[in-house]
Amino acid sequence: DTAVSQTPKYLVTQMGNDKSIKCEQNLGHDTMYWYKQDSKKFLKIMFSYNNKELIINETVPNRFSPKSPDKAHLNLHINSLELGDSAVYFCASSTNYEQYFGPGTRLTVT
Amino acid sequence: EDQVTQSPEALRLQEGESSSLNCSYTVSGLRGLFWYRQDPGKGPEFLFTLYSAGEEKEKERLKATLTKKESFLHITAPKPEDSATYLCAVRLNTGGFKTIFGAGTRLFVKA
Repeated sequence: DTAVSQTPKYLVTQMGNDKSIKCEQNLGHDTMYWYKQDSKKFLKIMFSYNNKELIINETVPNRFSPKSPDKAHLNLHINSLELGDSAVYFCASSTNYEQYFGPGTRLTVT
Repeated sequence: EDQVTQSPEALRLQEGESSSLNCSYTVSGLRGLFWYRQDPGKGPEFLFTLYSAGEEKEKERLKATLTKKESFLHITAPKPEDSATYLCAVRLNTGGFKTIFGAGTRLFVKA
């Protein structure tokens, strides 16, 4: 039974399009995150939600908008995609400490 | 500025050749330090949490230790299946408990 799942796994799209990535966790955790991992494999936090409330919002372009309909879901919507948005996006969930990651969504913007 | 630095960037070992990975950190307040393993094409997998200087945790061939400025991940008699990227992360006790990741150490173990 998958703990943290993301869809889609791969996403190829053109510049200027709008796309969404979905994330679901069945661990009963209160906190969920979105991370971006660039080509150098550096993992950087984008957003964090606790009980559906935004608690961390790093310096991310406002083209990126997270939405948490309930504690088990945290979706990421990206408007007007740019070449520099190409990366792997990871969703994670946690209790107070260790985080459990999804398998990632590889976004390629052409 | 809060920072996590891992070294070396890459490490090549022969099977059975023990070694250590380093994670040094400069943060305003430490809530916990974590080690993760990441295989190609997959998400990071949690290994250990360390909370205070002097603490040690072990799992199979891996042992993690923590001082006030750095953490070590010791790998004893590694096997090829230990090949992966090992990530160190620090959870702050301020700013919404943000977690900062290091760039990782890519470990290659040759049979």
